[in-house]
Amino acid sequence: DAGVTQSPTHLIKTRGQHVTLRCSPISGHKSVSWYQQVLGQGPQFIFQYYEKEERGRGNFPDRFSARQFPNYSSELNVNALLLGDSALYLCASSLAGQSPYNEQFFGPGTRLTVL
Amino acid sequence: AQSVAQPEDQVNVAEGNPLTVKCTYSVSGNPYLFWYVQYPNRGLQFLLKYITGDNLVKGSYGFEAEFNKSQTSFHLKKPSALVSDSALYFCAVRDRVSGGYNKLIFGAGTRLAVHP
Repeated sequence: DAGVTQSPTHLIKTRGQHVTLRCSPISGHKSVSWYQQVLGQGPQFIFQYYEKEERGRGNFPDRFSARQFPNYSSELNVNALLLGDSALYLCASSLAGQSPYNEQFFGPGTRLTVL
Repeated sequence: AQSVAQPEDQVNVAEGNPLTVKCTYSVSGNPYLFWYVQYPNRGLQFLLKYITGDNLVKGSYGFEAEFNKSQTSFHLKKPSALVSDSALYFCAVRDRVSGGYNKLIFGAGTRLAVHP
């Protein structure tokens, strides 16, 4: 079975630009979460989507937005990029959003470098 | 607020020896705890979780973790380390967000180095 897939693998942008990252969850999973992992730190929660609706948002500025499509894939958008946005962006999927029994499965991530 | 702490930046162990990676947590209510492993240039791989039940949880690749409520700890263990276990290990706790949906709060990570 295919796991969580993310695209692109790597991305280089300059300050002020915007970026769109994509995620396809495991087949049958309806919940997608996004995390930011800065070098040397643990992942930080950005968003959770379930059934195409935002269910949770972390402490990130409004420059960060996301959406989930009818096929449960998701996009993360970041506007007006800053140097500090350079990080590994991880997508995770789970069967549903609420149950703690449904662990989250992570994709390989998108490495974003902002110059 | 929910949080986890991984007090060791790095753990060094010889191949064949037992290993322990430490994690302590701070939560309100019942803790839901997880361990993930990250290999270079890879995403996170789920190892094991504690939701309820036995305090000793068995997971993937021979890893296990011991939940200790009185010490608020959830240490990851393996009886005999392999060089291939060398990676970055993250402890995480589930935190509820609005509507009952959950997010994971991660520790800073512990780098495990297993030497031949």
